[in-house]
Amino acid sequence: DVKVTQSSRYLVKRTGEKVFLECVQDMDHENMFWYRQDPGLGLRLIYFSYDVKMKEKGDIPEGYSVSREKKERFSLILESASTNQTSMYLCASSSPREDNQPQHFGDGTRLSIL
Amino acid sequence: SQQGEEDPQALSIQEGENATMNCSYKTSINNLQWYRQNSGRGLVHLILIRSNEREKHSGRLRVTLDTSKKSSSLLITASRAADTASYFCATDANFGNEKLTFGTGTRLTIIP
Repeated sequence: DVKVTQSSRYLVKRTGEKVFLECVQDMDHENMFWYRQDPGLGLRLIYFSYDVKMKEKGDIPEGYSVSREKKERFSLILESASTNQTSMYLCASSSPREDNQPQHFGDGTRLSIL
Repeated sequence: SQQGEEDPQALSIQEGENATMNCSYKTSINNLQWYRQNSGRGLVHLILIRSNEREKHSGRLRVTLDTSKKSSSLLITASRAADTASYFCATDANFGNEKLTFGTGTRLTIIP
């Protein structure tokens, strides 16, 4: 089975801090995604990547950046955390080589910015 | 606004009954997928239906797609307590890549 691992289940940071959320997948997937999930808003795409060192903005990239130096790892960076970035963050991966190309999700990081 | 809007937002039924959730979307799509999310966990892919398909089955799941109405439904038959979860539709409107747009979800509660 595909395993997508997010480094922390819960994280508490302070306003203005630089925050790193890490995601690792073990299935050699080409595509990786970062979403945030908020009540009543569903999942919103922040950034995604189709290959190493490649990134594309999603629907809500403001205040975030990403890094993909290795195929298995996709990092989300909050450059200067703000309280409105308190949310559940979900990482996912997929591959065009997999039938139906489903996205495989990690269990999420619940981030609180104080 | 969300590409996918699920209806109802919440649904409670007795164990053994059938559960139906609906999803509406706004733009033309390549395919539509349904995902389940158990409390505190990530999403799990359930089923995909392509734009040229009208109905698809997988175990106790039945998905329909009406592209003329831009809507889809997910039917779970003979519900079980373990089906309690949130269910999301996701549309793939970009031919050639896998960027998905998720709806806001339906919270399903199965009462034992």
